Amino acid sequence: EIMMTQSPATLSVSPGARVTLSCRASQSVSSNLAWYQQKPGQAPRLLIYGASTRAIGIPARFSGSGSGTEFTLTISSLQSEDFAVYYCQQHKKWPPITFGQGTRLEIK
Amino acid sequence: LQQESGPGLVKPSETLSLTCTVSGGSITTTAYYWGWIRQSPGKGLEWLGHLSYGENSYYSPSLRSRVSISVDTSKNQFSLRLTSVTATDTAVYYCARVDSIFGVADYWGQGTLVTVSS
Repeated sequence: EIMMTQSPATLSVSPGARVTLSCRASQSVSSNLAWYQQKPGQAPRLLIYGASTRAIGIPARFSGSGSGTEFTLTISSLQSEDFAVYYCQQHKKWPPITFGQGTRLEIK
Repeated sequence: LQQESGPGLVKPSETLSLTCTVSGGSITTTAYYWGWIRQSPGKGLEWLGHLSYGENSYYSPSLRSRVSISVDTSKNQFSLRLTSVTATDTAVYYCARVDSIFGVADYWGQGTLVTVSS
């Protein structure tokens, strides 16, 4: 089973800032990495798959990069609606489908 | 596209049963798997398992002895059964559509809270 580790656990950022979230896989997943956003009381929403492909309807301010074991999600200019919890998920070797523990993005 | 339904309260040692109704497409398509994911209060996401119509089902190794997922094509639904529940099974349970090529959950139900308590 591939383990996913996200850092940091919590990130305090000001609106309008650029922010980068990190995700590390316990072994290479090539470019098979997805990101999800979850707002309080809502289901997660797929943002990115294949490390850098935005899902349908996802704004261009969200971008993903990386390959192998190191990945990042960048939000170019934080909007109020972007404050949420972000999860990464590897989709190289599945099942099982494995998620990171999440990074909470909060308003500074 | 998906909507979970089922009891919100289950007693310890009993069986948790939830159903997900799929709308806007047939559950028999091979383009997607149909899965269950849960989230304990204040915790992260835990994949429970998934299946595709006419194919094998796959379950989390840690829950394999207690979990099963089945499909009812006549109702365009799929269901989760989790036996011998304990308080640690208290969680929000989500059903999700999983892309069969990419292995990502592209559509999720709104989730339903199941509490295990006597």
